[in-house]
Amino acid sequence: QKEVEQNSGPLSVPEGAIASLNCTYSDRGSQSFFWYRQYSGKSPELIMSIYSNGDKEDGRFTAQLNKASQYVSLLIRDSQPSDSATYLCAVRADNYGQNFVFGPGTRLSVLP
Amino acid sequence: DAGITQSPRHKVTETGTPVTLRCHQTENHRYMYWYRQDPGHGLRLIHYSYGVKDTDKGEVSDGYSVSRSKTEDFLLTLESATSSQTSVYFCAISGALSGPPDTQYFGPGTRLTVL
Repeated sequence: QKEVEQNSGPLSVPEGAIASLNCTYSDRGSQSFFWYRQYSGKSPELIMSIYSNGDKEDGRFTAQLNKASQYVSLLIRDSQPSDSATYLCAVRADNYGQNFVFGPGTRLSVLP
Repeated sequence: DAGITQSPRHKVTETGTPVTLRCHQTENHRYMYWYRQDPGHGLRLIHYSYGVKDTDKGEVSDGYSVSRSKTEDFLLTLESATSSQTSVYFCAISGALSGPPDTQYFGPGTRLTVL
């Protein structure tokens, strides 16, 4: 059973702080990793994808991947109340298939 | 929602009745997916399609069937609905000709209640 784990939260940070969201996965052969944001009652929307070890930055968001530790994280700098949402980590489990496994999500609350 | 619609958006039905949910895309993406989302479980893959008439099972496929007779439409059928199938169902697509092929875009969701 391929698994993706996340701390369900809620994670509360003050406005302007850095929010750190973590995700671990069980399938060592996984190659593609994604972070989605989901507002309450809405559908998930892609924030970032990452495929190689190291950091990938996009605006206020930085994804970090460590395949040896089977760990992927998302940092949100200068957090805003509008960042309050559930963040889903997803892993593509099969290199040649389309079997995506999602974690349960971490609920982030940014306090004004 | 990247040109993805789902219908109906809300449905209440009774145990034992058949239910069909429709996903329609206008993006010509190759892959289409059905997920269910339940509290504490996140998104779980039910079935996916990698082309017309080509489908495969996901993690929670029991009690569900799918069909894809056209590139743009992917149907999810509950042959005999049970209360455990009460959930929010999301359709997703991926496989754009430009951009990362495994980026998924999600539809607005269908809230299904089985009484």
